[in-house]
Amino acid sequence: SQQGEEDPQALSIQEGENATMNCSYKTSINNLQWYRQNSGRGLVHLILIRSNEREKHSGRLRVTLDTSKKSSSLLITASRAADTASYFCATDRKAAGNKLTFGGGTRVLVKP
Amino acid sequence: GAGVSQSPSNKVTEKGKDVELRCDPISGHTALYWYRQSLGQGLEFLIYFQGNSAPDKSGLPSDRFSAERTGGSVSTLTIQRTQQEDSAVYLCASSLGAGGYNEQFFGPGTRLTVL
Repeated sequence: SQQGEEDPQALSIQEGENATMNCSYKTSINNLQWYRQNSGRGLVHLILIRSNEREKHSGRLRVTLDTSKKSSSLLITASRAADTASYFCATDRKAAGNKLTFGGGTRVLVKP
Repeated sequence: GAGVSQSPSNKVTEKGKDVELRCDPISGHTALYWYRQSLGQGLEFLIYFQGNSAPDKSGLPSDRFSAERTGGSVSTLTIQRTQQEDSAVYLCASSLGAGGYNEQFFGPGTRLTVL
């Protein structure tokens, strides 16, 4: 089974609205990272949050991490059409070295 | 500097043929990873190289898959006797070093289609 499970699987919003997606995982982690993927090709790193951090911001992105619930959320504020993409969480598990385990992703459509 | 590059960007091959996929990591990055992304399995880890240490091959799906990293830089993923289920996008990533706090930077991927 996947370490990271994301919900929703798909999200459709209007430009200017906020988009929130969640990621849950099963085992202890070193960190959790969020990536964006356009058109099924390369992954773009968005943000990394360490296991001892609870919240992190980067531009219009806000990530939270709750290790007690083994969950994270990614909030994109004031969305733009260019934010249309798939978003993946990836965990770096303490017992698994440095390899990342990805969630199934959330497909976000931002309508102009 | 340049990001992670991969070649070819697309590869179409016939079932049973061998293929080689190449990855050039970011200069100075000591860690290199291969993942693959397919419709049925999502994003899966394949193999991880860190410096001169023995690679972590725990994600390779079968012995038809192998990878090398020469001179601590370029890596080649080889798939022998390709099968249709090998069709996927193969992604390479590199990071500055080991440890759980290094961001992994991904290349654009190689889309492999096995007919």
